[in-house]
Amino acid sequence: GQQVMQIPQYQHVQEGEDFTTYCNSSTTLSNIQWYKQRPGGHPVFLIQLVKSGEVKKQKRLTFQFGEAKKNSSLHITATQTTDVGTYFCAGLNYGQNFVFGPGTRLSVLP
Amino acid sequence: DTEVTQTPKHLVMGMTNKKSLKCEQHMGHRAMYWYKQKAKKPPELMFVYSYEKLSINESVPSRFSPECPNSSLLNLHLHALQPEDSALYLCASSQRQGFQTANTEAFFGQGTRLTVV
Repeated sequence: GQQVMQIPQYQHVQEGEDFTTYCNSSTTLSNIQWYKQRPGGHPVFLIQLVKSGEVKKQKRLTFQFGEAKKNSSLHITATQTTDVGTYFCAGLNYGQNFVFGPGTRLSVLP
Repeated sequence: DTEVTQTPKHLVMGMTNKKSLKCEQHMGHRAMYWYKQKAKKPPELMFVYSYEKLSINESVPSRFSPECPNSSLLNLHLHALQPEDSALYLCASSQRQGFQTANTEAFFGQGTRLTVV
């Protein structure tokens, strides 16, 4: 079955440093979504990528979809304490539902 | 209104109890989902309803019984649960089910934190 992996599992950064999390699928994806879950909270949708090689930006966040549509990344520039949380990718492989990756937990030290 | 509302927020139940989790959305979404999330793990899909019909059942034990009375409501009936079923149960909705390429972003509720004793 489809597997979605993410690395790293945890990342600790100093406030102001950059952060990147990578998502890899065992199968080609039709599209991919990214979610953020704050500690004690629920997942909140960030973005959806559909096209091969697509790059989207949201303020300090940059999202990329690989050319082969099997991987994706989320990059945060100059992290802030408000970026703390777990970032999940969720991949759709032309099937019926999205499969969540295990997530990358980000902590930001002030 | 861009909210998915779940009740109750917390639930403690015994293994012989019957209880129900409720979920409501008024965004006109036609796909609704139940997820189970254990601590430090990703959400795990349980059920998907599309246009009020059960579309996906991810081999969930029969002690979990979903119900979609109408396009705005989703219930999860619980009976004879085990302590390992303790988790955060998340409801989500999207305009359409995941295989569409647009309007599939999922809006999650705050979840019900369930403890089975």
